Amino acid sequence: NAGVTQTPKFQVLKTGQSMTLQCAQDMNHEYMSWYRQDPGMGLRLIHYSVGAGITDQGEVPNGYNVSRSTTEDFPLRLLSAAPSQTSVYFCATSSATSTDTQYFGPGTRLTVL
Amino acid sequence: KNQVEQSPQSLIILEGKNCTLQCNYTVSPFSNLRWYKQDTGRGPVSLTIMTFSENTKSNGRYTATLDADTKQSSLHITASQLSDSASYICVVITGGGNKLTFGTGTQLKVEL
Repeated sequence: NAGVTQTPKFQVLKTGQSMTLQCAQDMNHEYMSWYRQDPGMGLRLIHYSVGAGITDQGEVPNGYNVSRSTTEDFPLRLLSAAPSQTSVYFCATSSATSTDTQYFGPGTRLTVL
Repeated sequence: KNQVEQSPQSLIILEGKNCTLQCNYTVSPFSNLRWYKQDTGRGPVSLTIMTFSENTKSNGRYTATLDADTKQSSLHITASQLSDSASYICVVITGGGNKLTFGTGTQLKVEL
């Protein structure tokens, strides 16, 4: 039982490049979400999903896309990376809604040059 | 605007000592409040979850309190250990359940 896994752990991009951050969970959780964590700021919600085929925007969705084709996977796509997207990205899951205990992945540290 | 403020920003204590971290919030409507522990380079891990009707909740050496009237919470760590060195994050969830407001965390360092 791996819990929540994220790949890659580290990534460096040039401005304008695109990439996908992967998130997978084996806990059969319906609720999945993506956050970014920046120095001096609390975690901020980018996008979330309450189940396969359903996604919605969070607090800071601009520049990011998501899809949820299966219960297990919730990839986050950066369409055209910008230096402002340099951050640590966390995927989180919970069994039903965001009111249940959330389990966070180990994070992906992204640097955009 | 929903806000969660934590104090102190950072704290250094000696191993074996107790400490208390503070969280004040202006989130409304309130659903529940959580404390997370985040080790360096890792994702946050849940310590406690408290609803409106709960005043105290413990998890081993961690005890969280909630005063919904004053909109304050505290996390008390007893007999600190080196492994307690981490960032402690307070999170408040609104009544609808889909909005989480995170504090910026208290960075705790436990020294010998």
